[in-house]
Amino acid sequence: SQELEQSPQSLIVQEGKNLTINCTSSKTLYGLYWYKQKYGEGLIFLMMLQKGGEEKSHEKITAKLDEKKQQSSLHITASQPSHAGIYLCGADRGNNDMRFGAGTRLTVKP
Amino acid sequence: NAGVTQTPKFQVLKTGQSMTLQCAQDMNHEYMSWYRQDPGMGLRLIHYSVGAGITDQGEVPNGYNVSRSTTEDFPLRLLSAAPSQTSVYFCASERGQGVSEQYFGPGTRLTVT
Repeated sequence: SQELEQSPQSLIVQEGKNLTINCTSSKTLYGLYWYKQKYGEGLIFLMMLQKGGEEKSHEKITAKLDEKKQQSSLHITASQPSHAGIYLCGADRGNNDMRFGAGTRLTVKP
Repeated sequence: NAGVTQTPKFQVLKTGQSMTLQCAQDMNHEYMSWYRQDPGMGLRLIHYSVGAGITDQGEVPNGYNVSRSTTEDFPLRLLSAAPSQTSVYFCASERGQGVSEQYFGPGTRLTVT
């Protein structure tokens, strides 16, 4: 099983709708990263969270790391077709050990 | 800056063949890593390097070798390709591991028949 569980695996939303993607770890996270990947391309960094309770926003995307540092959520407000892609969470376990979730595929219907 | 570059973009190998996937970065990053991405599995770390002359194994190192003779380059060698190595391979670099985001290359799609 994945060390980082992402849910849902895929998501189809109508343009303009809000959505949330979750990333859950069974272990405490030293750092949690969110990346976006377009099909056939590399990953693009979105946000990094390190402190329990931390929340960061960029444009219409907000990411939070819970107090216990074992779960993070990514929230997109008023989704647009440009938000479509695969969202991956990555966790720094320390000692150069980086793990990723399997990803959430987001489709935004115009 | 070109960022992280990878060559080739696509490759087809026969079982038993060897090849090297190239990765280079021009950001003077100390930390570089190789991942493979498989459906339903996410990215898995193959090997990483914290600086020139230093490499170490990640989560799935078997069947792969790496070297880091310069800060810029971090090639990944498949010694004897197997169908299980069919995957998309990504190289990434980072200013310092765990302190900043990783920059990813565009990937190499490898098929082993």
